Amino acid sequence: DTGVSQNPRHKITKRGQNVTFRCDPISEHNRLYWYRQTLGQGPEFLTYFQNEAQLEKSRLLSDRFSAERPKGSFSTLEIQRTEQGDSAMYLCASTLIGVMNTEAFFGQGTRLTVV
Amino acid sequence: RKEVEQDPGPFNVPEGATVAFNCTYSNSASQSFFWYRQDCRKEPKLLMSVYSSGNEDGRFTAQLNRASQYISLLIRDSKLSDSATYLCVVNTNAGKSTFGDGTTLTVKP
Repeated sequence: DTGVSQNPRHKITKRGQNVTFRCDPISEHNRLYWYRQTLGQGPEFLTYFQNEAQLEKSRLLSDRFSAERPKGSFSTLEIQRTEQGDSAMYLCASTLIGVMNTEAFFGQGTRLTVV
Repeated sequence: RKEVEQDPGPFNVPEGATVAFNCTYSNSASQSFFWYRQDCRKEPKLLMSVYSSGNEDGRFTAQLNRASQYISLLIRDSKLSDSATYLCVVNTNAGKSTFGDGTTLTVKP
């Protein structure tokens, strides 16, 4: 499978615990995005990387959220001290920048439930 | 005000109907535009890019009006399988994608 892969698919955690999600983008893609989506809303931008450089982080994102893409390939998103409001679907997408009108390919997401 | 706004929906239409969705964006520096489709509890997938001259793909037609900063999607001869949420997506020159909240379409027999 050469698509975007996210792990785990589902995560249930207790409030206050830390969680980490992984995204493996399409191998030749240089741009990687993280989004969060709740029911009835569109994907909300969290952060994105060009290769290993984090280019932008949403101002709405608290300091409990951190993302890395250490070697410019896979990325991790960590949420520390989870809160119930963090419950959402976390989507990763990748694309190849440098080509006009490039399509972003999404992974199937990680559904987080904080109890 | 959100950067990308869509018709709130939901749209409930009979099979064979023509339905149109609109989307407006606030960032005049936006460079590229897309419509994505999202099925329930699935990831978004590209439906079509939107070009300045307008473009058509089978029953789907997308239009862009840069002066008014809006994008439209027209679906002709609706099928049951068109039932989904349609997301308007706007990219800046830096490649950052901003999504609308989506418009839900239900096509009924």
